[in-house]
Amino acid sequence: DGGITQSPKYLFRKEGQNVTLSCEQNLNHDAMYWYRQDPGQGLRLIYYSQIVNDFQKGDIAEGYSVSREKKESFPLTVTSAQKNPTAFYLCASSTWRQGSYEQYFGPGTRLTVT
Amino acid sequence: RKEVEQDPGPFNVPEGATVAFNCTYSNSASQSFFWYRQDCRKEPKLLMSVYSSGNEDGRFTAQLNRASQYISLLIRDSKLSDSATYLCVAWYNQGGKLIFGQGTELSVKP
Repeated sequence: DGGITQSPKYLFRKEGQNVTLSCEQNLNHDAMYWYRQDPGQGLRLIYYSQIVNDFQKGDIAEGYSVSREKKESFPLTVTSAQKNPTAFYLCASSTWRQGSYEQYFGPGTRLTVT
Repeated sequence: RKEVEQDPGPFNVPEGATVAFNCTYSNSASQSFFWYRQDCRKEPKLLMSVYSSGNEDGRFTAQLNRASQYISLLIRDSKLSDSATYLCVAWYNQGGKLIFGQGTELSVKP
């Protein structure tokens, strides 16, 4: 089955620790994205990558880092510099269709930092 | 002002009702629009792309008015399973990213 996988589904960490969230896709999509969603809030873009070995900051990149060494993979590291890391993290990938990019999301990772 | 704004929710409707969601966008350079559906504690799923001429998919109809910078989603004959949050989304070619609205919650009651 083609799709986007994120692991783990739930993640618990102590304050001060870096943590890396996994995102893998086998859809052969060029572009990949990371979003954060807080309770009752919309999605906010953290980082995105349109091709391998290149990525751009989104609206809330501070305290996060990414890499894009392979087309299929776009891991997100939440560093200790991120002040409020507890959130629902969503990875997405996109393909060009009928004049625009349609994005598809993975199931998400719920990160809790205490 | 938010770039993509949606009707505040929640919308509570009885089964079988017709419900309409509205969405406005501020950047006239927006080129493509989408409606996503998000169930509680799940990822958003693409419901419909919105084309200039409007489009229909079963009970769902999406309309775009570029002059007024306005998008709508109409759901006819609501089902209990339609209960979810509906996200209005705009795509900007410049910058290559989607801008999400805050979402409108729909609750369909028996």
